[in-house]
Amino acid sequence: GAVVSQHPSWVICKSGTSVKIECRSLDFQATTMFWYRQFPKQSLMLMATSNEGSKATYEQGVEKDKFLINHASLTLSTLTVTSAHPEDSSFYICSAGHRGSGTGELFFGEGSRLTVL
Amino acid sequence: DAKTTQPPSMDCAEGRAANLPCNHSTISGNEYVYWYRQIHSQGPQYIIHGLKNNETNEMASLIITEDRKSSTLILPHATLRDTAVYYCIVRVVRAGNQFYFGTGTSLTVIP
Repeated sequence: GAVVSQHPSWVICKSGTSVKIECRSLDFQATTMFWYRQFPKQSLMLMATSNEGSKATYEQGVEKDKFLINHASLTLSTLTVTSAHPEDSSFYICSAGHRGSGTGELFFGEGSRLTVL
Repeated sequence: DAKTTQPPSMDCAEGRAANLPCNHSTISGNEYVYWYRQIHSQGPQYIIHGLKNNETNEMASLIITEDRKSSTLILPHATLRDTAVYYCIVRVVRAGNQFYFGTGTSLTVIP
């Protein structure tokens, strides 16, 4: 199946710093990627839809200036958590759909665990 | 997208079939039923999907009722590695269309 890879898989940073997470589709092109956030013992919450070559679409309640999304190519989307604070500590997961699959399923990355001290 | 309702948790004995129900009574005619699972601290894994016919693959079977208002995911011979949270999602198949996750069912396979 199609592979989506995230990097880094885990990161620890100091409060007030910015952290960038990369999401790559390794063997297919993805015009759209999705970013999710998951707190412990909770479900995945969709944060934003990342569109290649255009601005991301954010879900209600998600601060676009806090979570910067860039989708500069058909295989790479990045999420930057700006001025991170401890409440931003979470598991961030990206996903992408394979245009040629015809089945509509999304392929998910392994996730990136962010801990803000 | 239609909402889904799943039991919060289930247990299943190892080697037995695990039957995970999902209610999607407000599903519309062009919405598919997808099942994903998430093993602790990993990204979700695709299992199976269907529109109205029953489906089977190497991982599981999907049984959709005739009125499409509910479905059941069947893991025929559960193993300890099947312990995970299972999510049922309904969604229109359209490029760029989002997946919204519900609360899912936490399945524990017991030795």
